[in-house]
Amino acid sequence: DIQMTQSPSSLSASVGDRVTITCRASQGISYNLAWYQQKPGKVPKLLITATSTLQSGVPSRFSGSGFGTDFTLTISSLQSEDVATYYCQKYDSVPLTFGGGTKVEIK
Amino acid sequence: EVQLVESGGGLVMPGGSLRLSCAASGFALSNYYMNWVRQAPGKGLEWVSSISSSNSYIYYADSVKGRFTISRDNAKNSLYLQMNSLRVEDTAVYHCARALIVGTTLAYFDYWGQGALVTVSS
Repeated sequence: DIQMTQSPSSLSASVGDRVTITCRASQGISYNLAWYQQKPGKVPKLLITATSTLQSGVPSRFSGSGFGTDFTLTISSLQSEDVATYYCQKYDSVPLTFGGGTKVEIK
Repeated sequence: EVQLVESGGGLVMPGGSLRLSCAASGFALSNYYMNWVRQAPGKGLEWVSSISSSNSYIYYADSVKGRFTISRDNAKNSLYLQMNSLRVEDTAVYHCARALIVGTTLAYFDYWGQGALVTVSS
């Protein structure tokens, strides 16, 4: 099975900083990657599909890129409301696998 | 408004059984792949099982295969998860989630329920 590895597992940044989260697949998954945001005490929210397609209502400061095995989620200017854990998820085939998560905090 | 509401969680001893239910509203369950995704306390997300709209395709994570059974009743707009031979490591919040497909392939989760806590402990 394909494994999904996220890095870093946590980060602390200042408001306004550019933040980049990496997700690596153990084998190629083409563009079949989604990103979720889970705020404390809440359910996951779908942010991005097909590597880079923002879901309706997601602020444009979020963006995704990559192909094959290496993917990134970027927050261009971190806001306080972005404090959350972010997960990537592959969907090229079953099993649907999530990355281990990246916890984003404000410095 | 799409809503997914789980029920049936609780405390069970290792080796025991539990049945989770998920009541869907605001959309026709019969048109979607439905899924269970769990999250152990303080841990990440783990996909558990999926069932296609017509029951033609059913998938399980290796960690639950042979112990858990997913089913659905489209007439009742409900999803179920029968969990047998429960282990301590099955302790988690179990979320019911609706999935979209890409082409004909099960893809990602667009709506999630709040979850039902299952605690397996002696």
